[in-house]
Amino acid sequence: DGGITQSPKYLFRKEGQNVTLSCEQNLNHDAMYWYRQDPGQGLRLIYYSQIVNDFQKGDIAEGYSVSREKKESFPLTVTSAQKNPTAFYLCASSTAGRNSPLHFGNGTRLTVT
Amino acid sequence: AQKVTQAQTEISVVEKEDVTLDCVYETRDTTYYLFWYKQPPSGELVFLIRRNSFDEQNEISGRYSWNFQKSTSSFNFTITASQVVDSAVYFCALSGRSYNTDKLIFGTGTRLQVFP
Repeated sequence: DGGITQSPKYLFRKEGQNVTLSCEQNLNHDAMYWYRQDPGQGLRLIYYSQIVNDFQKGDIAEGYSVSREKKESFPLTVTSAQKNPTAFYLCASSTAGRNSPLHFGNGTRLTVT
Repeated sequence: AQKVTQAQTEISVVEKEDVTLDCVYETRDTTYYLFWYKQPPSGELVFLIRRNSFDEQNEISGRYSWNFQKSTSSFNFTITASQVVDSAVYFCALSGRSYNTDKLIFGTGTRLQVFP
């Protein structure tokens, strides 16, 4: 079955450590996205990529980095520069175009202490 | 600026009740798209519907129906005869353009709890 796989589901890190969240899709979608979800704030866009080897900052990119070396993969690194990294992170993909519905993964809940 | 407002933070109903989730949006675009997504406890968001700004016809899909009114900038979602499985967080979203970039703007979500 086609879909988006995020791993791990739960992740714990010590403050000051970088951590990478995995996102893989087999839907053959060109565009991929990372969102952050905090209670009461909806979803906020961190980074997105519309094509391999290209990506753009979203609304809250500071303290995060991404790469898009393969169409199927869009890993997100939460760096030590991110001041409040504890959150629920959702990866999504879509066919090209702003009107295309997003397909989401199950998310990774990151806790930094 | 584009904005989506879901004023209802949480709604609780008893099974078989009808419930309406409100969504109000702001945009200066003449062409835009509106979406509803469902987030069950498992975490992933599930796409429910997409509606473009030129199509104001209401839509019905089983127990779900959507009422799009441009005059009031609203895109409300009604669940008829609610079931426990409808318990989830529901997000309304607007496809907008900001700084020459297309992006999806989400509301803050409405948590629906359906009790047996």
